Amino acid sequence: AQSVTQPDIHITVSEGASLELRCNYSYGATPYLFWYVQSPGQGLQLLLKYFSGDTLVQGIKGFEAEFKRSQSSFNLRKPSVHWSDAAEYFCANNDYKLSFGAGTTVTVRA
Amino acid sequence: DAGVIQSPRHEVTEMGQEVTLRCKPISGHNSLFWYRQTMMRGLELLIYFNNNVPIDDSGMPEDRFSAKMPNASFSTLKIQPSEPRDSAVYFCASSLRQGQGIEAFFGQGTRLTVV
Repeated sequence: AQSVTQPDIHITVSEGASLELRCNYSYGATPYLFWYVQSPGQGLQLLLKYFSGDTLVQGIKGFEAEFKRSQSSFNLRKPSVHWSDAAEYFCANNDYKLSFGAGTTVTVRA
Repeated sequence: DAGVIQSPRHEVTEMGQEVTLRCKPISGHNSLFWYRQTMMRGLELLIYFNNNVPIDDSGMPEDRFSAKMPNASFSTLKIQPSEPRDSAVYFCASSLRQGQGIEAFFGQGTRLTVV
């Protein structure tokens, strides 16, 4: 079965700086990959998804992710972080059931 | 659409008591998932249903846990008897159908505390 790994448990970034969150997947067939965000006390919200086609995927809230098959990665990026981006971010894959990575907590400092 | 609705939002119960968590999926969605989130184990898939039928319950931790979906608009997750280690946030999610690449929509979760 496919799985995803998020190597970074916690990242701190300054407001206005760029952000990149890492996600690696174990390859089976074509991966079906997602990024979700969870704000404190809230459920998970879908940021973006990748199935096939263009390897650069645009999402909501100014986020994008790039699928790189050669590196088995699907990293999430944002050019300029806002304080409201402080949250926990989950990479996930769905090969018939949605499975999540351990999550990366993002702290934004002023 | 109101999204996935879970109730209650918070539940505090004593060890040994029965706990029932409720979920109303998005109308028209025919797949439903129950997840548990803890600091130690992250997000774990407990069980999922497709067209009201349980497809995979391999994530259900013990026989104390049971889930039902009597119709397309309602599901319950029951813990009987509850134990302190069951304390967690339980999420329900639904999707249009079950299959590769289908995103799920999550409820706000139920925070369960067993004392």
